[in-house]
Amino acid sequence: DIVMTQSPDSLAVSLGERATINCKSSQSVLYNSNNKNYLAWYQQKPGQPPKLLIYWASTRESGVPDRFGGSGSGTDFTLTISSLQAEDVAVYYCQQYSTTPLTFGGGTKVDIK
Amino acid sequence: QVQLVQSGTEVKKPGASVKVTCKASGYTFSSYGISWVRQAPGQGLEYMGWISAKNGNTDYAQKVQDRVTMTTDTSTSTAYMEVRSLKSDDTAVYYCARDLGTVTKGIAGYWGQGTLLIVSS
Repeated sequence: DIVMTQSPDSLAVSLGERATINCKSSQSVLYNSNNKNYLAWYQQKPGQPPKLLIYWASTRESGVPDRFGGSGSGTDFTLTISSLQAEDVAVYYCQQYSTTPLTFGGGTKVDIK
Repeated sequence: QVQLVQSGTEVKKPGASVKVTCKASGYTFSSYGISWVRQAPGQGLEYMGWISAKNGNTDYAQKVQDRVTMTTDTSTSTAYMEVRSLKSDDTAVYYCARDLGTVTKGIAGYWGQGTLLIVSS
């Protein structure tokens, strides 16, 4: 199975400041045939199901604010919230969908400093 | 709009079975796959498996494959997940989630509200 490792486990950022979450996969999730990284990011607020933010490592889902950005390739990926808002307090998960079983990172909790 | 509505809270004893339902609406059910994901209390997300609503093909996580069966009923646009031989550590919220697109297996674009399963003697 591909192991997804997120860091940090939690972080606190001031309103309006940048938040950066890292995700590392134990093997590459880049398919050379189509040059796509099979990596998604989800946001989960308390008591709610997860919400898809980013797929193909950097494609923002419809309706997701542009302060959310995804980057990286191969085995190393980053989710950046460029200017943290109060409503961004949540747990964020990365997920690879290149190989079954699909696997999630352990999650990163984002709070306001 | 796409909606996935799951069945309600279940309380089961160890060794019993449970069948969770996920009723879909707002799209052509047979065109998209459905993933099942669970979340134990205070824990992260765990993939359980995926089923194609088009042909019934399944992928199960190895950890649960001997105890889980996923099915779909295209006549009612409903997906099902049965878990047998329940253990206390099966206690979790179980989510169904639809693939984002018809060729984007595993990208969970739409989620159900979750079904809480409590396994306790």
